[in-house]
Amino acid sequence: SQTIHQWPATLVQPVGSPLSLECTVEGTSNPNLYWYRQAAGRGLQLLFYSVGIGQISSEVPQNLSASRPQDRQFILSSKKLLLSDSGFYLCAYGTGAGKAFFGQGTRLTVV
Amino acid sequence: QQQVKQSPQSLIVQKGGISIINCAYENTAFDYFPWYQQFPGKGPALLIAIRPDVSEKKEGRFTISFNKSAKQFSLHIMDSQPGDSATYFCAARGGTGNQFYFGTGTSLTVIP
Repeated sequence: SQTIHQWPATLVQPVGSPLSLECTVEGTSNPNLYWYRQAAGRGLQLLFYSVGIGQISSEVPQNLSASRPQDRQFILSSKKLLLSDSGFYLCAYGTGAGKAFFGQGTRLTVV
Repeated sequence: QQQVKQSPQSLIVQKGGISIINCAYENTAFDYFPWYQQFPGKGPALLIAIRPDVSEKKEGRFTISFNKSAKQFSLHIMDSQPGDSATYFCAARGGTGNQFYFGTGTSLTVIP
């Protein structure tokens, strides 16, 4: 069966520090991968998606970047965090049937 | 811009009642419309989904109604239970990456 792992679950980082969030998927090959951000009490905003290794598309301009160094690994990064980067970050993968499944999320607080 | 619009923002229903959440979209290229349920501190979980060539889909107490001409779809939760209290998101899929665009969510509270 397919599973998705996302870590860490929570993270507190100072303003100006770097960020690296990792997501890995098991049990599937060449999945579409997505990073979403959920601000408190708000919907899910699509940040990046990837249809293959090294292929990254950005949905919105921002202080973040994404990379896909391996087929089932998706990384969200920042060189210098801003207060506005605080939020709940979710990784998801898309199946061949077109469904999307989410990880458990990372709660990022920038202080 | 918001690709999928969702209402209401919050909903309070008595146990046993019907919960109804509505969504609307503009992009006619969307080809798949799922609903997700999210509990606090957790990732969204796929609840039920529909394709635009179907007008209704039912799974247990959950039903999606889809109106292609109006570009609207809705989630009906029959016999609502306190355990259904959660945030519900509608979504639509489209684009080169089959990416999903989400509504802003509805916080459902079912009162015992």
